Amino acid sequence: DSGVTQTPKHLITATGQRVTLRCSPRSGDLSVYWYQQSLDQGLQFLIQYYNGEERAKGNILERFSAQQFPDLHSELNLSSLELGDSALYFCASTTGGSPLHFGNGTRLTVT
Amino acid sequence: GEDVEQSLFLSVREGDSSVINCTYTDSSSTYLYWYKQEPGAGLQLLTYIFSNMDMKQDQRLTVLLNKKDKHLSLRIADTQTGDSAIYFCAESIGGDYKLSFGAGTTVTVRA
Repeated sequence: DSGVTQTPKHLITATGQRVTLRCSPRSGDLSVYWYQQSLDQGLQFLIQYYNGEERAKGNILERFSAQQFPDLHSELNLSSLELGDSALYFCASTTGGSPLHFGNGTRLTVT
Repeated sequence: GEDVEQSLFLSVREGDSSVINCTYTDSSSTYLYWYKQEPGAGLQLLTYIFSNMDMKQDQRLTVLLNKKDKHLSLRIADTQTGDSAIYFCAESIGGDYKLSFGAGTTVTVRA
């Protein structure tokens, strides 16, 4: 168990809808990272937060947004969903001096 | 730039050694990682190596790093059926631990 918790495990929704994915980092970790894993793109870095502030952005679409709350949990919001957004979304956390530890992911299916 | 390449498939007989290879392009990589993903599961950190090291051994796992050739390998001794999974090589650059992943090597262990 990595200590990173992601909910829900599975999400099925329709095109055009909006969903929120939640991540609780390991105790003490200030940094949260979001990754998308899809068959055609592999593992892609989306965005990083550190102690509530956005630190780095990767290949994140404008329809997607994230935030990190004072209790350090993070949410990834995906809106105007398209079929191509179907993927496994991972959250990872670190305390800065350690490797990234990943959660088990949220599998999003857009129908 | 950040570009990590791995061979896509490896088949190995149970009890033999597996060697998974990876090449990366950014010479300023600070850490290099190996993650394991079993079917339907998240990313499990297997091991990592700092860029100023040549080798790291951890039980059945041996990581070799050739910085000159930008080549990383993971050797699994006495491969077991439970080692069947996808193995991802990843690099981080600088201090922000944002990882760039390879496409993953699917290892199949046959009896």
